[in-house]
Amino acid sequence: EVKLQQSGDELVRPGASVKMSCKASGYTFTDYAMHWVKQSPGQGLEWIGTIIPLIDTTSYNQKFKGKATLTADKSSNTAYMELSRLTSEDSAVYYCARSTTTDYWGQGVMVTVSS
Amino acid sequence: DVVLTQTPPTLSATIGQSVSISCRSSQSLLHSNGNTYLNWLLQRPGQPPQLLIYLVSRLESGVPNRFSGSGSGTDFTLKISGVEAEDLGVYYCVQSTHAPWTFGGGTKLELK
Repeated sequence: EVKLQQSGDELVRPGASVKMSCKASGYTFTDYAMHWVKQSPGQGLEWIGTIIPLIDTTSYNQKFKGKATLTADKSSNTAYMELSRLTSEDSAVYYCARSTTTDYWGQGVMVTVSS
Repeated sequence: DVVLTQTPPTLSATIGQSVSISCRSSQSLLHSNGNTYLNWLLQRPGQPPQLLIYLVSRLESGVPNRFSGSGSGTDFTLKISGVEAEDLGVYYCVQSTHAPWTFGGGTKLELK
């Protein structure tokens, strides 16, 4: 069974950084790209970027360049996203999703930026 | 960026009713490789989105066949032939033909 297990919800201070994980199981991690998506409270969905674990290649939505950094650890089948210099605008739920079809999604990580 | 416009924003339906959702793109979603990367997602309350339809009309495994997708170029439609209670939620179209990927604004399906 394919599963994307994301790390727990985060409460972080403005200006800080947060790193979240997305652990894949049930398939060969390097066979598929991993995408990250932001959903702001009561809002729609935004694509942040993509990492191809096989070749460690990333592509980003211009809007999130400098904000998000995507990495992957092939030894643990885990994708990571770090968000830096957090502001209230970064408070949202963040999802990882597998492949171009987004056929599997993680359960989401709620990030709350508050002092 | 490609803009996807979904209509209607809200849809009220009775159980068993057939409904359609439109997704219009600001530019053609036909990729140079011949594929059209337009998918449909459903997000139930408190849940992550789930894939219903990919490549315009291909039904994802396990998704009931009352869901169907059609369209080409810039105009796409999701049809539900006989709404069931479990279909309630927000539907999104998403394109990955052009970078950055973009999502439609969503259509909320409610019970009348």
